[in-house]
Amino acid sequence: GAGVSQTPSNKVTEKGKYVELRCDPISGHTALYWYRQSLGQGPEFLIYFQGTGAADDSGLPNDRFFAVRPEGSVSTLKIQRTERGDSAVYLCASSFSGTSGGSEQFFGPGTRLTVL
Amino acid sequence: DQQVKQNSPSLSVQEGRISILNCDYTNSMFDYFLWYKKYPAEGPTFLISISSIKDKNEDGRFTVFLNKSAKHLSLHIVPSQPGDSAVYFCAASGLTGANSKLTFGKGITLSVRP
Repeated sequence: GAGVSQTPSNKVTEKGKYVELRCDPISGHTALYWYRQSLGQGPEFLIYFQGTGAADDSGLPNDRFFAVRPEGSVSTLKIQRTERGDSAVYLCASSFSGTSGGSEQFFGPGTRLTVL
Repeated sequence: DQQVKQNSPSLSVQEGRISILNCDYTNSMFDYFLWYKKYPAEGPTFLISISSIKDKNEDGRFTVFLNKSAKHLSLHIVPSQPGDSAVYFCAASGLTGANSKLTFGKGITLSVRP
């Protein structure tokens, strides 16, 4: 079966522009997570969805970042007025139920965002 | 404030020998600990995990040990193979809901020499 997919794989944009990053989770997975990985760092949590609702958005760095999951499947991470510091690999993960024991998170390949 | 720490950035071992990757954490509320493996241009892949109520979990060549009193865990790979060369991330989480989000260390690059 298909794993988690993310599009685009690479995105280059200019400072101040708006970008959307898409995540297609594994079919049937109710939990979806976004993480951001900067160079030389481990992934850092951004936001967690259970179904359609954002159950925890405490990792979003500021109000330029927003994410939606309107039908409980595909999710879009939206970044307004991009800054050079937003450059990173954005990772999406999904799990069957959002329970750590026995329901591991499966990651997509990531979207590499470069803000010039 | 790093809650999960991997203090060694890299490790090089000979094929066939044991690889030991270490991880320390500061948050005693973590319930679950995981190791992920990552190749370049791919997302992290789940490798093995351990619940906080256990002190050892084994899966083939991979064993994870947890020392709760020391807030320390380690991943043992034996025997090491060249295909094990990758970046390994230690991660921790609570059990359910919003607590299931993962907190990662910075990773360690393992190189297995043929």
